[in-house]
Amino acid sequence: EAQVTQNPRYLITVTGKKLTVTCSQNMNHEYMSWYRQDPGLGLRQIYYSMNVEVTDKGDVPEGYKVSRKEKRNFPLILESPSPNQTSLYFCASSLWVPGQGVRNQPQHFGDGTRLSIL
Amino acid sequence: AQSVTQPDIHITVSEGASLELRCNYSYGATPYLFWYVQSPGQGLQLLLKYFSGDTLVQGIKGFEAEFKRSQSSFNLRKPSVHWSDAAEYFCAVVLPYSGGSNYKLTFGKGTLLTVNP
Repeated sequence: EAQVTQNPRYLITVTGKKLTVTCSQNMNHEYMSWYRQDPGLGLRQIYYSMNVEVTDKGDVPEGYKVSRKEKRNFPLILESPSPNQTSLYFCASSLWVPGQGVRNQPQHFGDGTRLSIL
Repeated sequence: AQSVTQPDIHITVSEGASLELRCNYSYGATPYLFWYVQSPGQGLQLLLKYFSGDTLVQGIKGFEAEFKRSQSSFNLRKPSVHWSDAAEYFCAVVLPYSGGSNYKLTFGKGTLLTVNP
C-alpha cells in the first residue's frame, strides 16, 4: 500500500531535549516536505526536499533541521525544542519533478505527529 | 498579497442537506487548486484537484468542485451530506510555474463541518 509513515504519532517532551520525527514514503517520490498545523493558521511549510541531499527552507524553518540521505526518508529534527513548537506536524511527498511543473501530481500526507513541548 | 481564503470557519448542516464550502484565492495567475479533508486524528486526504480543462471537477466521496476564474473561486459541493463527512476541509493552491525548486502548497485556514443527525 502506498503511504507516508510518520513516527511517533504522539510525543510529549520537555524544553531543550532533542527529538526527531521520522518520515518515510514507499512511493519512490522525489519531493518531500514538512508542514506544521496550528489552530487558526492552517498548514505552513517548514522545509522541503527536491531529492537526496537537496533541502531548503519553507515559510517557518526557525528551530528545525532536516536531512535527506535516502530518497524514502525525510526526518524532522528539533535540536532544542521550545513550547512554541508545540503543534501538529505533517510530512508529505509527491512524484513532482523539478523543472516539469506540478505535472498533475498531488501531495500525499502522513497521519501526522502531535508534539507537545513542556 | 497572495492568499487563500476560506471565509467560513465553521459550518453546520443537517444530514441529507446539500453543502457548499467556499474557497477564494488571490494570485496573479490561476493556480492549481486542491481540496483536502482531515478527519479527527487523521492526516490529510485529497478530495479533488483542478489543473486545467473542465471547470467542474469530480472527486472522491461524492464531492465536486467548480473553478470560476471570474470569481477566483473553487467552491466544494456535495448534494447530500452524510454524518461521516464531519471533518475539517482545507482548500490549497500551488502556483503552476514550470521550473523552480519548491512545490509548496499554500493552505486556507480550514472550514470545520459539523453534521447534525
